[in-house]
Amino acid sequence: ELKVEQNPLFLSMQEGKNYTIYCNYSTTSDRLYWYRQDPGKSLESLFVLLSNGAVKQEGRLMASLDTKARLSTLHITAAVHDLSATYFCAVDMDTGRRALTFGSGTRLQVQP
Amino acid sequence: NAGVMQNPRHLVRRRGQEARLRCSPMKGHSHVYWYRQLPEEGLKFMVYLQKENIIDESGMPKERFSAEFPKEGPSILRIQQVVRGDSAAYFCASSPGFRYYGYTFGSGTRLTVV
Repeated sequence: ELKVEQNPLFLSMQEGKNYTIYCNYSTTSDRLYWYRQDPGKSLESLFVLLSNGAVKQEGRLMASLDTKARLSTLHITAAVHDLSATYFCAVDMDTGRRALTFGSGTRLQVQP
Repeated sequence: NAGVMQNPRHLVRRRGQEARLRCSPMKGHSHVYWYRQLPEEGLKFMVYLQKENIIDESGMPKERFSAEFPKEGPSILRIQQVVRGDSAAYFCASSPGFRYYGYTFGSGTRLTVV
């Protein structure tokens, strides 16, 4: 069964600082998704990483994928308060469960 | 082009009642997925449907829960004889096809069982 683990689960950081969220998954997959969720809201798609070595950037967020290590990272550069939210990574597979399997989420709190 | 529409947004049911949650996928999307999110937790897969077919229901509880996606109309997630533990946010996502470059999520239905 596919397992997706994120760490840290909770991250409190100051504005202006950099940090990385890690997402490990347990079986071969070449598609990894990052979502953002604000409290009481739905999921907003941030990145879809489609192949080994994929790197995507949007504003202060950059995501990368290493399929050999089964690892994706979400790097936050010079955090601002507006980035406070919960971030989820998710993986889907060609076989077995044919839907997204989510990590537990990383709750990010950016302090002024 | 409306996104994935879920209704109701909020639903309150007494223990033992039935809950019906609706999901209309994006136009052109024929694949629907239901997920449940308990407070402070991630999303857990429940069921994957295409029109008139259940493709994967491995995440559905064996009793009281059912889902359908008829030829016409929205997908329905039905919970019979609700219990307090069913209180959660239920999200629907749709895609044009399996693993087709991403999924679009609806706003969710927040079910509260009192």
